[in-house]
Amino acid sequence: AQTVTQSQPEMSVQEAETVTLSCTYDTSESDYYLFWYKQPPSRQMILVIRQEAYKQQNATENRFSVNFQKAAKSFSLKISDSQLGDAAMYFCAYRSVTGTASKLTFGTGTRLQVTL
Amino acid sequence: DGGITQSPKYLFRKEGQNVTLSCEQNLNHDAMYWYRQDPGQGLRLIYYSQIVNDFQKGDIAEGYSVSREKKESFPLTVTSAQKNPTAFYLCASSRRSLGLDAYNEQFFGPGTRLTVL
Repeated sequence: AQTVTQSQPEMSVQEAETVTLSCTYDTSESDYYLFWYKQPPSRQMILVIRQEAYKQQNATENRFSVNFQKAAKSFSLKISDSQLGDAAMYFCAYRSVTGTASKLTFGTGTRLQVTL
Repeated sequence: DGGITQSPKYLFRKEGQNVTLSCEQNLNHDAMYWYRQDPGQGLRLIYYSQIVNDFQKGDIAEGYSVSREKKESFPLTVTSAQKNPTAFYLCASSRRSLGLDAYNEQFFGPGTRLTVL
């Protein structure tokens, strides 16, 4: 079974600065997907960014980018030019490509605070 | 607007009672999922359904039951056998995965907070 570990329960960043959230995972599969989800105080889960394991290029979505290190099984999220609206819980998630269900395995989350 | 609705937003249950959480989607998705969220534990999969009239147990199915009689609906029943049901419950849906479909994003509902009194 796959596991996802987020070792930073809480992080803090000043507005306009850059912060990196860590995620490691354990799997014996060679093909899979990785995701970062954001959960603001409203508790609505929002997809931030996705990464296909077979792609070497790191995914980027505006101010959000990832550092995907397949050999190290590491998938960190970098948020540049942090904004107050970025304050939320961030979850790293893993999805296998086997089978026909998009089952997600989540980490325990990192709470990000953004200060003025 | 297309999306996922969950009701009620808050639900209170007395010990020994069964309660049913509603989840409806109008995204025409085949697959639907139920997750439980506890503080410090992230989201854990309870049940999922890939198609109407079919569903599978997730990682923590004990004490829960589901049905999938319609494509749009996937209700979750929390039974009295669930020892610690107080949690936040999230429903999600996606298109049915066909192997390397990278854009098979899961869309989440707003959640239901269940409290056992």
